[in-house]
Amino acid sequence: NAGVMQNPRHLVRRRGQEARLRCSPMKGHSHVYWYRQLPEEGLKFMVYLQKENIIDESGMPKERFSAEFPKEGPSILRIQQVVRGDSAAYFCASSNRTGSSSYEQYFGPGTRLTVT
Amino acid sequence: SQQGEEDPQALSIQEGENATMNCSYKTSINNLQWYRQNSGRGLVHLILIRSNEREKHSGRLRVTLDTSKKSSSLLITASRAADTASYFCATAYSGAGSYQLTFGKGTKLSVIP
Repeated sequence: NAGVMQNPRHLVRRRGQEARLRCSPMKGHSHVYWYRQLPEEGLKFMVYLQKENIIDESGMPKERFSAEFPKEGPSILRIQQVVRGDSAAYFCASSNRTGSSSYEQYFGPGTRLTVT
Repeated sequence: SQQGEEDPQALSIQEGENATMNCSYKTSINNLQWYRQNSGRGLVHLILIRSNEREKHSGRLRVTLDTSKKSSSLLITASRAADTASYFCATAYSGAGSYQLTFGKGTKLSVIP
């Protein structure tokens, strides 16, 4: 059973370009979370999605950031017109939300975004 | 405001010694989880303790939870060089239906061979 997969692992974008980060949850998981980690910091929650629904986007910046989790395919975190402050590691986590392990989230390896 | 706060921020010990890290939080929780992150890598889930549990063991790890003090501790016994990593506590609360995790800034553990 493959774990959470994220790609690309490293992404370099120039200021003003768009960044697309992909996350495939673990098999059987239908809940996806995105977190951002700045250098020397802990992870900060951004958004929580189920298939075709955004459940909680309270951690998402108001502009330029969007997320989706379509019926088919991976979850996408999209950052438009990137700025240097967007440089960070972006982690995706998934869970199945059933039974006693309902709150256990499994993390992917992250995408390290560098904006030049 | 930041939910989990780990203490100390950095810890350096000799191989074979025990390492204790503490975490405090501010609001109600359903559970508290500890994660390890090696430099530049993803997070590895170590252990989850529910709000109605007081202590949990997993191999060389021992976690305690005191909900009256809103604090938790992670003890790693007989440390190894491979334990060198950053350790984060994360709290989960489902009150808003989100189940998001709120992380502290982490404790950076260095185990010297």
